[in-house]
Amino acid sequence: DVKVTQSSRYLVKRTGEKVFLECVQDMDHENMFWYRQDPGLGLRLIYFSYDVKMKEKGDIPEGYSVSREKKERFSLILESASTNQTSMYLCASSLTRLAGGYEQYFGPGTRLTVT
Amino acid sequence: RKEVEQDPGPFNVPEGATVAFNCTYSNSASQSFFWYRQDCRKEPKLLMSVYSSGNEDGRFTAQLNRASQYISLLIRDSKLSDSATYLCVVFSGGGADGLTFGKGTHLIIQP
Repeated sequence: DVKVTQSSRYLVKRTGEKVFLECVQDMDHENMFWYRQDPGLGLRLIYFSYDVKMKEKGDIPEGYSVSREKKERFSLILESASTNQTSMYLCASSLTRLAGGYEQYFGPGTRLTVT
Repeated sequence: RKEVEQDPGPFNVPEGATVAFNCTYSNSASQSFFWYRQDCRKEPKLLMSVYSSGNEDGRFTAQLNRASQYISLLIRDSKLSDSATYLCVVFSGGGADGLTFGKGTHLIIQP
């Protein structure tokens, strides 16, 4: 079974704090993703990585950065948290399919509240 | 802008019935399609992948209609445990930014 774990299920931070969200997968997947999910907006891609030290911006990268120093670990960093970053953050991993697309396995999510 | 549209529902369906819902997409070059289920306050879980015309897995069937640009999910003999939100995902090529998520269809199976 693929397992994707995230460092925290719930997190409360103050405006301006630096926030680290960690994600670890145990299936040797090359691709890893960070999404946020908000009511009425669905899942939106923040960043993804297709290899160690490689990263690509998604649809909403502003205010976020990422780090992938090891294949199994992908970190999301909020440099200076703001209230509009209150959200559910979901990490995912996948292999790359020759047929195209990504069959993603998601972690349990981190519900972040910024006050 | 790539668009993936789903009827948000909720679909209220009696246990044992067959239910189907569609997902329409705007990009005719879309290559592959995925259905995920998401339970309340949980993460999405991959249900089915569709790379050609369709796929079947037990009570679940996904069918792709490229001419009309939609993919459907059919659930037969529905069970209470099928209650969830079903997310449609369309891949239009390139990197992971080629993935577009629908906002989901909420299904409630009633006893």
